[in-house]
Amino acid sequence: QSALTQPASVSGSPGQSITISCTGTSSDVGYYNYDSWYQQHPGKAPKLIIYDVSRRPSGVSNRFSGSKSGNTASLTISGLQAEDEADYYCNSYTTSRTWVFGGGTKLTVL
Amino acid sequence: EVQLVQSGAEVRKPGESLKISCKTSGYSFTGYWIGWVRQMPGKGLEWMGIIYPGDSDTRYSPSFQGQVTISADKSTSTAYLQWSSLKASDTAMYYCARRGFGARTFFFDFWGQGTLVTVSS
Repeated sequence: QSALTQPASVSGSPGQSITISCTGTSSDVGYYNYDSWYQQHPGKAPKLIIYDVSRRPSGVSNRFSGSKSGNTASLTISGLQAEDEADYYCNSYTTSRTWVFGGGTKLTVL
Repeated sequence: EVQLVQSGAEVRKPGESLKISCKTSGYSFTGYWIGWVRQMPGKGLEWMGIIYPGDSDTRYSPSFQGQVTISADKSTSTAYLQWSSLKASDTAMYYCARRGFGARTFFFDFWGQGTLVTVSS
């Protein structure tokens, strides 16, 4: 069971939009619509920001959105703000009835 | 208010055993799965396994099967992660996380604060 593939880093200027990709296989990302995304600031626990591909938990800014095409899920953050600088992880349920995370992407707000 | 409060940091020697805890409150412990996630220093999140306290149904990532044991105590609403023989490579932060309610939820909505485990001779 390999980790999902994410870019190691992305960056953007305040106000811009960025997209983080998460590529899996037909046994995880491509099989179910249960992809989720977590934001982790340094020294903090992860926080759920997207679930079921594109749903936002209550209290999460609508600047965060999710989508999927085939075996690749994506997280888009629009109107970048300094507070968005963090690590982002995708997560998917698998056909083995387990879960798998992506390797993580460090977002830098320039 | 839902809370997952993990036990404090631990320092052990290689070969020693360890059991860390995740005490929950604010919801029905037996109705939600609890998962465990490892984060090695400077690295990403790794899903280790999950338990349903209602019937102790447990699943492990192939990477962690046989390496750790996940358990739960309904009387104290606490989940546990244990090792019988620690290795230096077990040095990491460990998080517990609650899976959302229902058979069709596959995300983790509440997280513990993490327990730092250091294994060093």
